[in-house]
Amino acid sequence: DGGITQSPKYLFRKEGQNVTLSCEQNLNHDAMYWYRQDPGQGLRLIYYSQIVNDFQKGDIAEGYSVSREKKESFPLTVTSAQKNPTAFYLCASSPAQGQDQPQHFGDGTRLSIL
Amino acid sequence: GENVEQHPSTLSVQEGDSAVIKCTYSDSASNYFPWYKQELGKRPQLIIDIRSNVGEKKDQRIAVTLNKTAKHFSLHITETQPEDSAVYFCAASSPAGSSNTGKLIFGQGTTLQVKP
Repeated sequence: DGGITQSPKYLFRKEGQNVTLSCEQNLNHDAMYWYRQDPGQGLRLIYYSQIVNDFQKGDIAEGYSVSREKKESFPLTVTSAQKNPTAFYLCASSPAQGQDQPQHFGDGTRLSIL
Repeated sequence: GENVEQHPSTLSVQEGDSAVIKCTYSDSASNYFPWYKQELGKRPQLIIDIRSNVGEKKDQRIAVTLNKTAKHFSLHITETQPEDSAVYFCAASSPAGSSNTGKLIFGQGTTLQVKP
């Protein structure tokens, strides 16, 4: 799954600060996703995008924002409104949504509060 | 919407024994069921998947079975090895146009420990 690159690997956020996590894919996939993973829990969907310039909220979108200006890129911003941002964030992509295709994951970004 | 329950949350087996992880789903329209393996601090990796038109799929030591009537599917690992130790996640997806619009809904994960 080397086609999905997340950066940075580790990120620290100060109180009241917005931070942006990068996700780039060169797999020519239409659909991209952001998940949050907390210890002992499964993957929870934050936002997803089926096509450029379009995205939808997932199950836990509050305090997060995204953009999809290019097919290859789907950055996630963790805003100051997200009061508990400490987690492991995973980006994924698939050829197209809803067509029984597996999602391929990046290596993740671990976000912590300073 | 879809809900996926996964059991057990932890599983410890002796090397060479078999391990079975079970998942149930709620949406009868779900038609795609992947399994992911995640080693500590790393990305989830697809290990096997099954679609609703088959009841069983096998890949070397790993197999998945699907019971659409009961809405459950299981991962079977035979001849377990220490390198099988990881967290395993099941997931279910419904076709586009259904209430879940093709999203993957993940189970809570099972931590498998294979003791040498």
